Amino acid sequence: EVQLLQSGGGLVQPGGSLRLSCAASGFTFSSYAMNWVRQVPGKGLEWVSDISGSGGSTYYADSVKGRFTISRDNSKNTLYLQMNSLRAEDTAVYYCAKAYYSGSGSYYPPDYWGQGTLVTVSS
Amino acid sequence: DIQMTQSPSSLSASVGDRVTITCRASQGISNYLAWFQQKAGKAPKSLIYGASSLQSGVPSRFSGSGSGTDFALTIISLQPEDFATYYCQQYNSYPLTFGGGTKVEL
Repeated sequence: EVQLLQSGGGLVQPGGSLRLSCAASGFTFSSYAMNWVRQVPGKGLEWVSDISGSGGSTYYADSVKGRFTISRDNSKNTLYLQMNSLRAEDTAVYYCAKAYYSGSGSYYPPDYWGQGTLVTVSS
Repeated sequence: DIQMTQSPSSLSASVGDRVTITCRASQGISNYLAWFQQKAGKAPKSLIYGASSLQSGVPSRFSGSGSGTDFALTIISLQPEDFATYYCQQYNSYPLTFGGGTKVEL
């Protein structure tokens, strides 16, 4: 059974940093690209970043480029999102999500999602 | 960036109804479109990829169609568990973008 267990959310001051984690199980983690998607409470979904199975390719939304870093540790089956220089507009529920297909070279949308973790940026 | 426009933004329906939600891309995206369902307070659930291919475990009452710029998600015989918000997402090019959502209400 595929499971994505998220941790690391919380309250942080503007300009602060936070690292989100997503621990995966039930599939060969290193074979699948992974995503971070966020959702401002009461609003729609926003793609944030994705990373290839090897970790060699990463992509970011312009709104977080230069401030957020996606990474993965395939030995620990864990995905990360390091968030620096946080702003009030980064307040959202953050979801990790697994690509539905293990191929490389193209983007494959998610099939499984984590439970979400709330990040609140406020003084 | 490719803009995704969903319509309607909300609709009222009854159990057993046939429901169609449309999603329009601001430029052609071939069939690189996915659909997701989200219930209040829950993580999204993946329904469809490639515009018309059902994810594993998704009931056959859900179907997707379209190519290019115009797409649709159809639910035949709406069930109580289908009342939720539905999102489309294009993955033809970065940045990946979602539609604004369609809330299906009783």
